[in-house]
Amino acid sequence: SYELTQPPSVSVSPGQTARITCSGDALPKKYGYWYQQKSGQAPVLVIYEDSKRPSGIPERFSGSSSGTKATLTISGAQVEDEADYYCYSTDSSGNHRVFGGGTKLTVL
Amino acid sequence: QVQLVESGGGLVKPGGSLRLSCAASGFTFSDYYMSWIRQAPGKGLEWVSYISSRGSTIDYADSLKGRFTISRDNAKNSLSLQMHSLRADDTAVYYCARTIADLGGDAFDIWGQGTMVTVSS
Repeated sequence: SYELTQPPSVSVSPGQTARITCSGDALPKKYGYWYQQKSGQAPVLVIYEDSKRPSGIPERFSGSSSGTKATLTISGAQVEDEADYYCYSTDSSGNHRVFGGGTKLTVL
Repeated sequence: QVQLVESGGGLVKPGGSLRLSCAASGFTFSDYYMSWIRQAPGKGLEWVSYISSRGSTIDYADSLKGRFTISRDNAKNSLSLQMHSLRADDTAVYYCARTIADLGGDAFDIWGQGTMVTVSS
């Protein structure tokens, strides 16, 4: 089965840049998506199609993809960005849809 | 406003069945794919199933095929998930999500608040 691999945790100080990576063999061919989930809340889409930002998502959130790795970057992370972040994509056939294991971002 | 509201969760015994519903409002439901995604307590997100806008295309996570059935009623702006032969590891919050689907992938752009399903004797 297909897997997306994320680091379990990332920690930064307020104002620093946070980078969360997601590795998957099919990422050169398939888009990566990123979801933010704050404690007790439903997930929110923050990046789609590797690098596009939905309306209402702050500009400090950006995404990129190179080779087998997608990256979510939060430039000037703020305390309110503390959350779990999940990448999502499919295998090369499009038949297996998976989320990464999630990364807990701590900003303090 | 655009909204998804799940219902139907609860406590069910192992081997039992449950039907979840998701009521959509604020957008043209029949224009969108819809998905179910679940999250076990303290765990990550797991994609469960999706259905195309007219219901002609359906897919399930491999581990769930044969036990879960997704359906939709566009006239009622409603999505459903029928679950059978439930097991303890099906215990999770179940979210419905509006889905933007294309060949490159799927974006779940609107999520409901979730409904909790607990499978326990």
